[in-house]
Amino acid sequence: NAGVTQTPKFRILKIGQSMTLQCTQDMNHNYMYWYRQDPGMGLKLIYYSVGAGITDKGEVPNGYNVSRSTTEDFPLRLELAAPSQTSVYFCATSWGARTANYGYTFGSGTRLTVV
Amino acid sequence: TQLLEQSPQFLSIQEGENLTVYCNSSSVFSSLQWYRQEPGEGPVLLVTVVTGGEVKKLKRLTFQFGDARKDSSLHITAAQPGDTGLYLCAGLNTGKLIFGQGTTLQVKP
Repeated sequence: NAGVTQTPKFRILKIGQSMTLQCTQDMNHNYMYWYRQDPGMGLKLIYYSVGAGITDKGEVPNGYNVSRSTTEDFPLRLELAAPSQTSVYFCATSWGARTANYGYTFGSGTRLTVV
Repeated sequence: TQLLEQSPQFLSIQEGENLTVYCNSSSVFSSLQWYRQEPGEGPVLLVTVVTGGEVKKLKRLTFQFGDARKDSSLHITAAQPGDTGLYLCAGLNTGKLIFGQGTTLQVKP
């Protein structure tokens, strides 16, 4: 039972390059989220999706794009990478959003460095 | 912007000591969750508290949700080295989780 799988685990990008962070889940959860985690800052929501074909911006969406063509996959695209995007990125899923007891299941993260 | 403030940010204690981590906000949340994160891994859910004044226990960990649903606390009794990690509180509002900045706990043997 894989849960939430993120690839790659580590990546170094040069300024201006682009890349896609992959997130796949086998839990059949409708809701998926992308967070970034910076030291001492907790986790900030980048984008989220409530189901296939539906995405919306979170707290810090600038410089990122997402798509959700299937229930299982929620890739995060970085265009024109900048040093400010150096961070650890986490994908998470949940069964529901408005029912209080649903916790999030997180992947193990992608550590991205932009130089 | 809703904010969750955790305190302290860092805590280094000896094995066997007790500790409390606080999570405060000026906003009301429909529920509050606590996560624990180990290096190189994603956060893992410990507990969800929903009702104002609710207390939940998980072995040596006691979680409390404030009466007004604006704050929460995590108390660990007789801390052990295995409790070392980053503890995150997160409030649920309009279907999205807002995270505090985390408390890094180090328990020395």
